[in-house]
Amino acid sequence: KAGVTQTPRYLIKTRGQQVTLSCSPISGHRSVSWYQQTPGQGLQFLFEYFSETQRNKGNFPGRFSGRQFSNSRSEMNVSTLELGDSALYLCASSLPRSDGNTIYFGEGSWLTVV
Amino acid sequence: QQQVKQSPQSLIVQKGGISIINCAYENTAFDYFPWYQQFPGKGPALLIAIRPDVSEKKEGRFTISFNKSAKQFSLHIMDSQPGDSATYFCAARSGGYQKVTFGIGTKLQVIP
Repeated sequence: KAGVTQTPRYLIKTRGQQVTLSCSPISGHRSVSWYQQTPGQGLQFLFEYFSETQRNKGNFPGRFSGRQFSNSRSEMNVSTLELGDSALYLCASSLPRSDGNTIYFGEGSWLTVV
Repeated sequence: QQQVKQSPQSLIVQKGGISIINCAYENTAFDYFPWYQQFPGKGPALLIAIRPDVSEKKEGRFTISFNKSAKQFSLHIMDSQPGDSATYFCAARSGGYQKVTFGIGTKLQVIP
């Protein structure tokens, strides 16, 4: 069974540009969430989607947005990139159970903003 | 506001020794406490998890101890091996959603 797949794995962008990251969850998983990982701040929750609806959002500016498609695949977008957006962006998926369901992470997309 | 405080941030243990990582939380709404293990270049992977109605959970060499009144929990790795060298994150979650609050992480190095 394939794991959570994220593309691209590595990318370099210039300040002011925008970027779109893609995530394919594990087959059958309908909940998808995104996290930002940096050395200074650790892992921080960005947002969560279930059945194409955002049901939770972290404390990030509006430049960070996401969406989920009917096939549960998800994308996140960062507009007007800043140097501080350089990070590992992780996507996670899980079954839509409410009781301790395991969250599976992808290997992430490494974003460098120059 | 750091809702889950983790210490130490780095830890060096000899092979065969016990690795201990401690975490404390503030939000009493948290009802699920997982630990994740992350190797370089990989995403975090669930190691072991506990609910607050249980004081201890053991899976192989890994044990979580949980103190609900003190709002603290810890991970013990018995007989630590070089292959355990990784970054470990404690975390907390409430309500069954995917919003997980992570500790800052502990970089564990097990030396032969």
